Amino acid sequence: GIQVEQSPPDLILQEGANSTLRCNFSDSVNNLQWFHQNPWGQLINLFYIPSGTKQNGRLSATTVATERYSLLYISSSQTTDSGVYFCAVVPYGGSQGNLIFGKGTKLSVKP
Amino acid sequence: ETGVTQSPTHLIKTRGQQVTLRCSSQSGHNTVSWYQQALGQGPQFIFQYYREEENGRGNFPPRFSGLQFPNYSSELNVNALELDDSALYLCASSSGQGNYNEQFFGPGTRLTVL
Repeated sequence: GIQVEQSPPDLILQEGANSTLRCNFSDSVNNLQWFHQNPWGQLINLFYIPSGTKQNGRLSATTVATERYSLLYISSSQTTDSGVYFCAVVPYGGSQGNLIFGKGTKLSVKP
Repeated sequence: ETGVTQSPTHLIKTRGQQVTLRCSSQSGHNTVSWYQQALGQGPQFIFQYYREEENGRGNFPPRFSGLQFPNYSSELNVNALELDDSALYLCASSSGQGNYNEQFFGPGTRLTVL
């Protein structure tokens, strides 16, 4: 089955710093989503981005489907950005729309 | 627009018992998917329901079963609980069964099996 790899696994930043999180996937996908999981476990939708580039405030994402990777950019990080960031994909040609998740990047933003 | 809701928030059971978790989909969504998230891992797909029918299943044993109701809310039932079933259970809803629909998650139910 498809493999989803996220890097780095852990990231520690000072408030105000910028960061780039990466998601590599081993096969073509129909759907790619980025999530932020807060300390209470809620998965918050950041981007639905099977291809192209999107921006939402301090966050932006780019997916290059032909090269099988996606990047999440966080600029001017804040302590509230702390948590785990997940990339999840739906494999191309699958018969069901189940998301396959990477293991996540744990981000800690220090004041 | 009401988001995805789940109940209960937390649950403690003992090994061998049965449990039912509930999920209400986001307004306008007819598809519900269930995921299990063990500590330190990404969520894993259990199954999906579309218009009251199971639409796909992950690598989980038959003691994990589900239902979807006419209002598109859903239940996850787990029989003969095992210690390894301790996890965060997440429900997601989307509009349509296809592969191109954005999924939105509820806050989860944290199950502890003693």
